[in-house]
Amino acid sequence: QSVLTQPPSTSGTPGQRVTISCSGSSSNIGINTVNWYQQLPGTAPKVLIYSNNQRPSGVPDRFSGSKSGTSASLAISGLQSEDEADYYCAAWDDSLNGWVFGGGTKLTVL
Amino acid sequence: QVQLVQSGSELKKPGASVKVSCKASGYTFSSYAMNWVRQAPGQGLEWMGWINTNTGNPTYAQGFTGRFVFSLDTSVTTAYLEISSLKAEDTAFYYCARDPGGVTHWFDPWGQGTLVTVSP
Repeated sequence: QSVLTQPPSTSGTPGQRVTISCSGSSSNIGINTVNWYQQLPGTAPKVLIYSNNQRPSGVPDRFSGSKSGTSASLAISGLQSEDEADYYCAAWDDSLNGWVFGGGTKLTVL
Repeated sequence: QVQLVQSGSELKKPGASVKVSCKASGYTFSSYAMNWVRQAPGQGLEWMGWINTNTGNPTYAQGFTGRFVFSLDTSVTTAYLEISSLKAEDTAFYYCARDPGGVTHWFDPWGQGTLVTVSP
């Protein structure tokens, strides 16, 4: 049972826009920034979005993040086959005094 | 470039110990915290804790106290994770991940992961 709640799976067709939600609480997303990680099959996670909506250099602008209240979202526009991966949200939790992750969302590109 | 390279896969028997290494390069090792994250097969990510690479002070997440030890060898810019009294449920990928943040924090980069398999 993860502290942050994500849908287990989602899917889309090439070119489509998909969003992945991440729901938390007042002790994590409500007061701290959210990061998103992409884990391609068989590889280590890599940062996709940090500080709610910042993209590291090299991450395409097709990926965007937002936060409102105790929830956050990752949007992927112009979906491509290489976007097929697991996506995780993460935030610091002040009550637990540690990082918490969502359970992960498996994105399938149909 | 900033890089974390971890040691190779390990196969251990229950009750044994294992030490995973994470070699950092491309940046000033003692300036950035190092985190450890566990991922059981087919499961999600779980934060294990972090170590202050300047002071060597470790902080362990709930559920990772007692059998888990973070350490450093700054002379070779390497962080270590040691797990003792291994159990089958310790079978997982273990990742090290640098925290490059200042005001806000995140994990970047990650090591490639080390698979620890615990089996009789």
